[in-house]
Amino acid sequence: QQQVKQSPQSLIVQKGGISIINCAYENTAFDYFPWYQQFPGKGPALLIAIRPDVSEKKEGRFTISFNKSAKQFSLHIMDSQPGDSATYFCAARRGNTGNQFYFGTGTSLTVIP
Amino acid sequence: ETGVTQSPTHLIKTRGQQVTLRCSSQSGHNTVSWYQQALGQGPQFIFQYYREEENGRGNFPPRFSGLQFPNYSSELNVNALELDDSALYLCASSSGGYGQPQHFGDGTRLSIL
Repeated sequence: QQQVKQSPQSLIVQKGGISIINCAYENTAFDYFPWYQQFPGKGPALLIAIRPDVSEKKEGRFTISFNKSAKQFSLHIMDSQPGDSATYFCAARRGNTGNQFYFGTGTSLTVIP
Repeated sequence: ETGVTQSPTHLIKTRGQQVTLRCSSQSGHNTVSWYQQALGQGPQFIFQYYREEENGRGNFPPRFSGLQFPNYSSELNVNALELDDSALYLCASSSGGYGQPQHFGDGTRLSIL
C-alpha cells in the first residue's frame, strides 16, 4: 500500500513556466514532509521541507504548499529552468517510529528550453 | 565536509548468493537509513540504525540485515538473493534529531542474474 501518493508521473514545462507536483497522504502520524530532487545516477538531494503546522514555505524558486485538513501538499517550481529537469520525490516522515520516511513514486520533470 | 559515500557503485550477483553493501555516513551523523529503489519507483525504507542499534524496520524479510559500527558507518547484508532484489540501494545519514534532514549517497546498483 502506497502511503504517499504522488502525481503526475511525468511533467513537461516550458522554460520560465511553473511546475506543480502534488502529493497526498492518509497517515496523520506523519510530521515532516520533505521534497527531494534526483538526477540520473545520483542519490536524492533534499530541496525543501515543511512541518504540518505551517501552510507554506518558500526557498528561492521552490515553494511547498501544505493543506493539513486535506492531507495534501505540493511543490511549486517558479521560473522553471532546463537545469531543473530531474525526478522529484515527495516524502513523509512517521515521527513516532524514529526517522522512517515514506516516499512517493516520483515525478519526472522535463523543462523545454 | 565529507558527504555520504557508498561502495561499491555497481555489483552483479547471481540468485542465491549473498551481498554486503557499505556506507560511510556524513561527518557528525549518528543515524543511518537504508532504502531500496526499484527502477522508476521511489525509495522504500529497509531499516535504520541509531548508535549501533536497529531503530525501525520496513516491510523487508529477515534476509535483509544490517550493522552499524562505532564510527557510524554501516553495512547492508542481503542473503539468498532473488531476481527482485535488483535495485539501487541507497544509504542516508542524519544527525537523528527531530526533523533533521537525511543526506543520501549515490547508491549501489545491484543486478541479480
